[in-house]
Amino acid sequence: GAVVSQHPSRVICKSGTSVKIECRSLDFQATTMFWYRQFPKQSLMLMATSNEGSKATYEQGVEKDKFLINHASLTLSTLTVTSAHPEDSSFYICSARDLLGHGEKLFFGSGTQLSVL
Amino acid sequence: AQKITQTQPGMFVQEKEAVTLDCTYDTSDQSYGLFWYKQPSSGEMIFLIYQGSYDEQNATEGRYSLNFQKARKSANLVISASQLGDSAMYFCAMREGLTGGGNKLTFGTGTQLKVEL
Repeated sequence: GAVVSQHPSRVICKSGTSVKIECRSLDFQATTMFWYRQFPKQSLMLMATSNEGSKATYEQGVEKDKFLINHASLTLSTLTVTSAHPEDSSFYICSARDLLGHGEKLFFGSGTQLSVL
Repeated sequence: AQKITQTQPGMFVQEKEAVTLDCTYDTSDQSYGLFWYKQPSSGEMIFLIYQGSYDEQNATEGRYSLNFQKARKSANLVISASQLGDSAMYFCAMREGLTGGGNKLTFGTGTQLKVEL
C-alpha cells in the first residue's frame, strides 16, 4: 500500500525553540495532506489541511502563526511548531490520500511525539 | 453534537472469539464515507476498512467486516477470530461530502480492545 513517512518520530526540545516535523508521501503524489494532534488516550483532532502550492486551511482554534505549515511539493508537507511551550507537548500525526492508487484510503505517518521541557 | 460516537471506552475479548466495536455517526450529508483505523501502542494509524454511504453491501477485509446500518446511522466493526495482536485502540471515522482530496476525517474517541488468552 501507499506509504507516508514522518520524521522525526520523537523530539524533545527546550521551551521557546521551534521544531519542524516532516511528512512525505513516498510512492504517490499528495496534493492534500492533513495534520492531526492527539493527546494521551484521546482521539485525533484535525489541526489543518495542507494544500500543495497554497496556504493551509486551519481548524477553528488552531493558531496559524504557532503551527506553520508548508506544502511546497506534491510529496512533502512540513509542520513547524514555533516557540514551543510545554502545553504543545503532544503526538502529531500526518496523513495523505493516494487518490489515484488507493481511492478512499487515507494513509498515516507513524507520528511524532513532541515533548517540550 | 458528536459526529462520531464510540460508546465503549474499553473492550475485552478472548482469543479466537469475535468482537463487535460500536460506532454511530451523525450527518445530514447523503454522501459520506466511514472508516475504521487501528492504533497500536506504537502510535501509527493502520487503515482497516471503508464503507461508502451508497455501498449496498457491508464491507469486508479479511477478518474485519463493517456492519453498516444506514437507517440507524451505525457502522460497527466486527473482528472475527480475535488474535493477541489485535489488542490496540480502534477509531471510527467519517468523511462527509463528495469524494475528493480535501475532505477531512472526523474521528471518534476510540475503543481500547484487549485480547486475552
